[in-house]
Amino acid sequence: DAKTTQPNSMESNEEEPVHLPCNHSTISGTDYIHWYRQLPSQGPEYVIHGLTSNVNNRMASLAIAEDRKSSTLILHRATLRDAAVYYCILRDGALGYSGGGADGLTFGKGTHLIIQP
Amino acid sequence: KAGVTQTPRYLIKTRGQQVTLSCSPISGHRSVSWYQQTPGQGLQFLFEYFSETQRNKGNFPGRFSGRQFSNSRSEMNVSTLELGDSALYLCASSLATGASTDTQYFGPGTRLTVL
Repeated sequence: DAKTTQPNSMESNEEEPVHLPCNHSTISGTDYIHWYRQLPSQGPEYVIHGLTSNVNNRMASLAIAEDRKSSTLILHRATLRDAAVYYCILRDGALGYSGGGADGLTFGKGTHLIIQP
Repeated sequence: KAGVTQTPRYLIKTRGQQVTLSCSPISGHRSVSWYQQTPGQGLQFLFEYFSETQRNKGNFPGRFSGRQFSNSRSEMNVSTLELGDSALYLCASSLATGASTDTQYFGPGTRLTVL
């Protein structure tokens, strides 16, 4: 399975943008890049995902390098509520539900994001 | 729409006992996955069920088992509990429309303590 590398922790100030990097140099052409986050005392929650193009949603933006060997999750204006562990995960788009089975999410250590007021 | 619910939220057992944890997925979701989270190993995939069938399994001993019912609710069972089984057990459900884009929705977890 292709692996991801993230910094152990990052610190940012409230109301400033946050750029969370993820390296995935062995990514395959069918791997989608997913981001989840886990707030304290909660289960993980989906943030965003993409394949090749940059993606935006109400929570964040995902910037994907042209060679797809790295990506960056962007929180445009961090709040204290964004303090969490952020996980960058690759999911093989070739896996389907036609009998070949589906894999679970493979979580790494993630990045512990600290937001200073 | 109600989220993923897990019961019980907290559980204390002793070594050698067995335990059953329950998960109710979001209405309409057909896939249920289970994960174990510990400080040392992080989040690890246990198994995934779809239409009452286990489709994939992580690297855990046979003491860990599960099942899914026709209404998509799922249970996981751990037999002969060991101290190392103390963990947060998370359940996640999804629509199962395609592995590449399928979003998993997690419950709050069941905190199991083995004494």
